[in-house]
Amino acid sequence: AQTVTQSQPEMSVQEAETVTLSCTYDTSESDYYLFWYKQPPSRQMILVIRQEAYKQQNATENRFSVNFQKAAKSFSLKISDSQLGDAAMYFCAYRNTGTASKLTFGTGTRLQVTL
Amino acid sequence: GAVVSQHPSRVICKSGTSVKIECRSLDFQATTMFWYRQFPKQSLMLMATSNEGSKATYEQGVEKDKFLINHASLTLSTLTVTSAHPEDSSFYICSASPGTYSTDTQYFGPGTRLTVL
Repeated sequence: AQTVTQSQPEMSVQEAETVTLSCTYDTSESDYYLFWYKQPPSRQMILVIRQEAYKQQNATENRFSVNFQKAAKSFSLKISDSQLGDAAMYFCAYRNTGTASKLTFGTGTRLQVTL
Repeated sequence: GAVVSQHPSRVICKSGTSVKIECRSLDFQATTMFWYRQFPKQSLMLMATSNEGSKATYEQGVEKDKFLINHASLTLSTLTVTSAHPEDSSFYICSASPGTYSTDTQYFGPGTRLTVL
C-alpha cells in the first residue's frame, strides 16, 4: 500500500517570504500522480498543484511550485511571496494511475503566516 | 470551475438515530464519488468509493451496514450514518469526479460536521 509522509506538523513564514513544505511517499509504481491540497479554516479542500510522475519538469502554479525528486520519492511544495491567505493546512496526496484509483493523503502541515 | 455541494453543513443528532448527508455535483455529472472522514487535526481517510448505479466499495475497517452509501444518479450521492453513536462524530467530506480514471480531477465538497450526543 502507498504511504504519504509529511514530517512537519507546523510551519511558520513571514509575509512575503518563501517557505517549503516537505512530503515523501512510498510506492512501487512507476507512474502515478502527486498533489498538494490546501484546507483553510473553512475546511474546503482546494487543489493547489498537481504533478504527473512521468513528467520530469516540476509543476508550477503562480506562486506555488514543487520540487519533484522521483528517485528520492520526495515532493516538496514551495510557496513564494507568502500571503496571509496562504495560512491553512496543506496536505500532500498520492494517486495511482488507472481506473478506480484513490487519493492517499499525508497527515498535513499547518502553515502560519505572520506579519 | 466544478462545484460540489454538501447538505447539511452541520448536524447534531441523538445517539441511536440515523443521519443522511447529501453530496451533489452542481455543474457536471459525477461518475464517481468518494466519501472521506476527517477527525480533528487529522488527515482525510477514505471511507468508500461509489460509482453511479453500482454498489459502493468500502475501505478496510469501514462498516458497510453502518455507513450506507447510495449513488443513484450522476449528480447525487448520499451517506447515511445508521444508529449513530458519539464516536461517529466527525467531519465528513465528499468528492466527485467526472470519470473513473486517475486523470479525472476530484472536486471536493465543503464538508459536513456531524455531532452525535
